[in-house]
Amino acid sequence: DGGITQSPKYLFRKEGQNVTLSCEQNLNHDAMYWYRQDPGQGLRLIYYSQIVNDFQKGDIAEGYSVSREKKESFPLTVTSAQKNPTAFYLCASSILLAGGFKADTQYFGPGTRLTVL
Amino acid sequence: EDQVTQSPEALRLQEGESSSLNCSYTVSGLRGLFWYRQDPGKGPEFLFTLYSAGEEKEKERLKATLTKKESFLHITAPKPEDSATYLCAVQASGNKLVFGAGTILRVKS
Repeated sequence: DGGITQSPKYLFRKEGQNVTLSCEQNLNHDAMYWYRQDPGQGLRLIYYSQIVNDFQKGDIAEGYSVSREKKESFPLTVTSAQKNPTAFYLCASSILLAGGFKADTQYFGPGTRLTVL
Repeated sequence: EDQVTQSPEALRLQEGESSSLNCSYTVSGLRGLFWYRQDPGKGPEFLFTLYSAGEEKEKERLKATLTKKESFLHITAPKPEDSATYLCAVQASGNKLVFGAGTILRVKS
């Protein structure tokens, strides 16, 4: 079965802790993304990566870090510098169409709900 | 700045009562508009991509249309299993998607 997996489904963080959310895809997609979803708000982009060993900040990157050591994996670390980390975190992936004129459809994983204790 | 506004915020329908959800957008150089369905506690499920004004796509009871300023998601004769949050997103420059806040749809039998 091809798809995107995220783990864990639920994660609890104590004050001052760093936690890492896992995202794996077996779709052979080039690009991977991390979004944050809060109630009543649209999804907001945290980081994205179009190629291994390269990534770019999104709109709300402060307090987060990522790595892309393998094409299929894009873990997100929520650091203690992120003051309000309680949210639903979504990972997505897409191919990169040649020419760049048409949008690339992003497919989402099942999400990780992070709660600060 | 790219913006997406979805209306209404919530919609309650009786089973079989057709209606439409609206997605208004402001973006420079639209490359694509996306519709997703999201069930509570789950990731968004891809429905449609629309690339240019006048384009329409259908899937079962859903039909998406696109103009230069907005998109509509028409739901014909909805069933309770169509209840979900419907998300609209646009892509302009780069690979960044800008999402609306979503419309929560409830269909009662």
